[in-house]
Amino acid sequence: KQEVTQIPAALSVPEGENLVLNCSFTDSAIYNLQWFRQDPGKGLTSLLLIQSSQREQTSGRLNASLDKSSGRSTLYIAASQPGDSATYLCAVRTSYGKLTFGQGTILTVHP
Amino acid sequence: GAGVSQSPSNKVTEKGKDVELRCDPISGHTALYWYRQSLGQGLEFLIYFQGNSAPDKSGLPSDRFSAERTGGSVSTLTIQRTQQEDSAVYLCASSLEAEETQYFGPGTRLLVL
Repeated sequence: KQEVTQIPAALSVPEGENLVLNCSFTDSAIYNLQWFRQDPGKGLTSLLLIQSSQREQTSGRLNASLDKSSGRSTLYIAASQPGDSATYLCAVRTSYGKLTFGQGTILTVHP
Repeated sequence: GAGVSQSPSNKVTEKGKDVELRCDPISGHTALYWYRQSLGQGLEFLIYFQGNSAPDKSGLPSDRFSAERTGGSVSTLTIQRTQQEDSAVYLCASSLEAEETQYFGPGTRLLVL
């Protein structure tokens, strides 16, 4: 059974810092990995999707890497801003369609 | 274009009543998913529809839960004889194909008293 773990559970940083969120998964036979953000009381917003054959994806200040063999992914956020405050969720797809999610990292960026 | 929409946004019901939750996926998306987000359990997969294929119901927690997707578009998740442990946010997502990015709706917050 696939299990996804995210570390840290919560992170508080001052504005402008670069930061790294970690995600690990137990079954390396994945199709892809997706990072989402969730704002309080809202749905999920897709940030980046990395296919199993890819090593990384970039979008603006976000960079996600994937090491499938070791079962790890990192989300790098450069020059953090207060608007980045949210819960970040990592999810892997190991069967057709279904995503398995981590518990999330609650990020607070203070001015 | 329009994103995934869900209704109602909030639902309060009494234990033992049936509820129906609706999802309108993004137009043209062939795949539709239901997830549940509850305290202590995180986000859990419930059911997945792909085109005209038989749905993957492997995540449904009990036979009180069922879902259908009519005409390959709108989906309804039905919970019969609701229990307090059914209280959660029910999220719907759709994707162009099963292997593509999943786009989520805002969710329906269900509270069973």
